[in-house]
Amino acid sequence: GENVEQHPSTLSVQEGDSAVIKCTYSDSASNYFPWYKQELGKRPQLIIDIRSNVGEKKDQRIAVTLNKTAKHFSLHITETQPEDSAVYFCAASATSGTYKYIFGTGTRLKVLA
Amino acid sequence: DTEVTQTPKHLVMGMTNKKSLKCEQHMGHRAMYWYKQKAKKPPELMFVYSYEKLSINESVPSRFSPECPNSSLLNLHLHALQPEDSALYLCASSSFRGAYEQYFGPGTRLTVT
Repeated sequence: GENVEQHPSTLSVQEGDSAVIKCTYSDSASNYFPWYKQELGKRPQLIIDIRSNVGEKKDQRIAVTLNKTAKHFSLHITETQPEDSAVYFCAASATSGTYKYIFGTGTRLKVLA
Repeated sequence: DTEVTQTPKHLVMGMTNKKSLKCEQHMGHRAMYWYKQKAKKPPELMFVYSYEKLSINESVPSRFSPECPNSSLLNLHLHALQPEDSALYLCASSSFRGAYEQYFGPGTRLTVT
């Protein structure tokens, strides 16, 4: 069935450094890829997304890249800050088939001050 | 208004109780979702409503019963739950089902004793 692999499971970076989280999806029909940030005890919050007709999207310190051929997409956070510490989930969805989000397993990011 | 609200925030119930979780959105979204989330895991899809009709039931036990009274409201009725059902229950909504942004509510932290 559909699957999204996410790596790494945990990531520690120094404040000011960059962080990269990678996801690989299996369903070639996937065409929408959101990223969620979830702080402890809070709701998942949509931080950025990308559709399959675009290779890269940027919003201030965060960016997402998509390689459709390799079925990879990645989240890039630059100039990390302690408030970036959270669990990040990637997901993949399609406009056909079951229509549901397939979530990655999550990455716990710790930004060390 | 881009917010999804959920009540109650916390719920403790015995295995013989009947309770309900409520979710509301006023964004005009036509798709609404129930997810279950265990600690350190991604959200796990339970039900999807599209245009107030149940479109996906992820083989959820019958002790969970969803209801969509109108396009803004989504309920989850609980009966005879098991301790392993203790989790964070998240509601989400999106413009339509499928490859669209999903916005999550704050969740109900459920404990079954």
